[in-house]
Amino acid sequence: SQQGEEDPQALSIQEGENATMNCSYKTSINNLQWYRQNSGRGLVHLILIRSNEREKHSGRLRVTLDTSKKSSSLLITASRAADTASYFCATVLSNSGYALNFGKGTSLLVTP
Amino acid sequence: DTAVSQTPKYLVTQMGNDKSIKCEQNLGHDTMYWYKQDSKKFLKIMFSYNNKELIINETVPNRFSPKSPDKAHLNLHINSLELGDSAVYFCASSRSSLAASLGTQYFGPGTRLTVL
Repeated sequence: SQQGEEDPQALSIQEGENATMNCSYKTSINNLQWYRQNSGRGLVHLILIRSNEREKHSGRLRVTLDTSKKSSSLLITASRAADTASYFCATVLSNSGYALNFGKGTSLLVTP
Repeated sequence: DTAVSQTPKYLVTQMGNDKSIKCEQNLGHDTMYWYKQDSKKFLKIMFSYNNKELIINETVPNRFSPKSPDKAHLNLHINSLELGDSAVYFCASSRSSLAASLGTQYFGPGTRLTVL
């Protein structure tokens, strides 16, 4: 079953604005990851937050994790047109050889 | 240098045919994966494989089979293709130890399969 559920499904903002995407999951996790997928391309790992962390930063990215609510958020600050992509959260499946269970993704459109 | 590569990028074929998609990684990883992404961008694991173990998602039809000639390659063979097999297939790799990799994976560019 699908572990993560992203929200919103689609987000349209203007350059310079911040974009926030949310993810919920169902089971206990070791860590939660965010990936980006540009149109017609493969997924690229953005950032990972461990279950004992609450917040993590990487450049313009900020990820939070609330294990009590089984939710995470990804904030992209000062967005650029190049940030236009789909964003997925993922958790490691148990008993799966460390395969990832992905959320449904948020499609982000950043207009100039 | 491309870390994870797949060929072909596009594959158009008729129902009933047998086809293969190749995947190679030059990262020295010993675990590789195949994922299927449907038209709604929903990504689902099909196989996880390292040199010790193949783990198959129980929902994957047995018409799909992974073949690994060596640690750097994991090819996907599909027999008797069906219309519903149309999707984008992604290969990925990671280190086998969760402690080492934390589950982070590196993805290929994808192969868009269209079955007519």
